[in-house]
Amino acid sequence: KAGVTQTPRYLIKTRGQQVTLSCSPISGHRSVSWYQQTPGQGLQFLFEYFSETQRNKGNFPGRFSGRQFSNSRSEMNVSTLELGDSALYLCASSFGTGASYEQYFGPGTRLTVT
Amino acid sequence: GNSVTQMEGPVTLSEEAFLTINCTYTATGYPSLFWYVQYPGEGLQLLLKATKADDKGSNKGFEATYRKETTSFHLEKGSVQVSDSAVYFCALSPPGGYNKLIFGAGTRLAVHP
Repeated sequence: KAGVTQTPRYLIKTRGQQVTLSCSPISGHRSVSWYQQTPGQGLQFLFEYFSETQRNKGNFPGRFSGRQFSNSRSEMNVSTLELGDSALYLCASSFGTGASYEQYFGPGTRLTVT
Repeated sequence: GNSVTQMEGPVTLSEEAFLTINCTYTATGYPSLFWYVQYPGEGLQLLLKATKADDKGSNKGFEATYRKETTSFHLEKGSVQVSDSAVYFCALSPPGGYNKLIFGAGTRLAVHP
């Protein structure tokens, strides 16, 4: 069974640009969550999508947005990039919602903003 | 609010030593608790979990017990191996939070032969 895949794995962008990251969940999984990992702030929850609906959102500015498609693939978009957006962005997929459903993480997309 | 505090690392041990990584939490209600492990260059992997008070999660020789009275979920292993070298994250999922996880800062473990 293929794991969670994230593309691209590495990305370099310039301040002010926008970026779109993609996450393909494990086949059959309907929930996708996104996290930002930085040395200073650690792992922080961005948002969760389930069956194309955003279920939960973390404390990030509106520049961070996401969506989920009917095949459960998800994208997140960051507009007007800032230097502080440099981070490892992880997505996780799960069959359902709640602690009884294990979340599987992808390897992440490393975003560098210059 | 909800938060997780875990001991700062790095933790450096010799092979076969006993491991404890402390984790305490603050939460409203009864959260579920998790330990995740991140190996170099990889994403997070679930190590173990506990969903109610006094539950013990265990996997690959690691154990942690959900202690509501002390709001703790300490990770232990009786005999570590070099292959256990990684970063360990304690996390909680708040009640009604769907799949949202709140993570601690992570503890880096280095095991030497």
